Amino acid sequence: GQQLNQSPQSMFIQEGEDVSMNCTSSSIFNTWLWYKQDPGEGPVLLIALYKAGELTSNGRLTAQFGITRKDSFLNISASIPSDVGIYFCAGHRIYGFGNEKLTFGTGTRLTIIP
Amino acid sequence: KAGVTQTPRYLIKTRGQQVTLSCSPISGHRSVSWYQQTPGQGLQFLFEYFSETQRNKGNFPGRFSGRQFSNSRSEMNVSTLELGDSALYLCASSLSGPSTDTQYFGPGTRLTVL
Repeated sequence: GQQLNQSPQSMFIQEGEDVSMNCTSSSIFNTWLWYKQDPGEGPVLLIALYKAGELTSNGRLTAQFGITRKDSFLNISASIPSDVGIYFCAGHRIYGFGNEKLTFGTGTRLTIIP
Repeated sequence: KAGVTQTPRYLIKTRGQQVTLSCSPISGHRSVSWYQQTPGQGLQFLFEYFSETQRNKGNFPGRFSGRQFSNSRSEMNVSTLELGDSALYLCASSLSGPSTDTQYFGPGTRLTVL
């Protein structure tokens, strides 16, 4: 199945560091979404982006919808232990009336080193 | 408000068997989407149901099917199980669809096929 290219695959950082991850695609999307998944749980929506060029913040999280509509990035500032988990980007595209699809990135596993 | 619930949480089956997974959406949500999550393929969209009708479908074989009841609860069925069907199956609900509303994911059903 189709997937978005998400990088990096994993990150090992110290508490307090800033984090940056991004997603790229060969297709354009109408909406970019960023999710976080904790072990044993389903993904939880962090940020939704609806317009090319849009920059949105949610607390320490900032995400941007690329101008080409083919990419997005997520930044986390001053990481804390509860930021540990897997982060997924997702692109939503509407192909026609009643025909839409959400495509997920491959995920970035964030680990905080004590 | 209760979140999305999925039953069972864990399931072990053998090749050739069939399985039915259940998803209860958040009260008032009419759209239910199903996803398959594996380490190798990530999160892949299976299908979406709205008002008891399948509205969108991913690229999975016909062994994967689903349905939605009048109370918006949804079931997913996999027939003639294969080893590669081992995965975490997630369902997500939203008010009227992922293009306009936030999707909320359940904790998933982890299926192991032996």
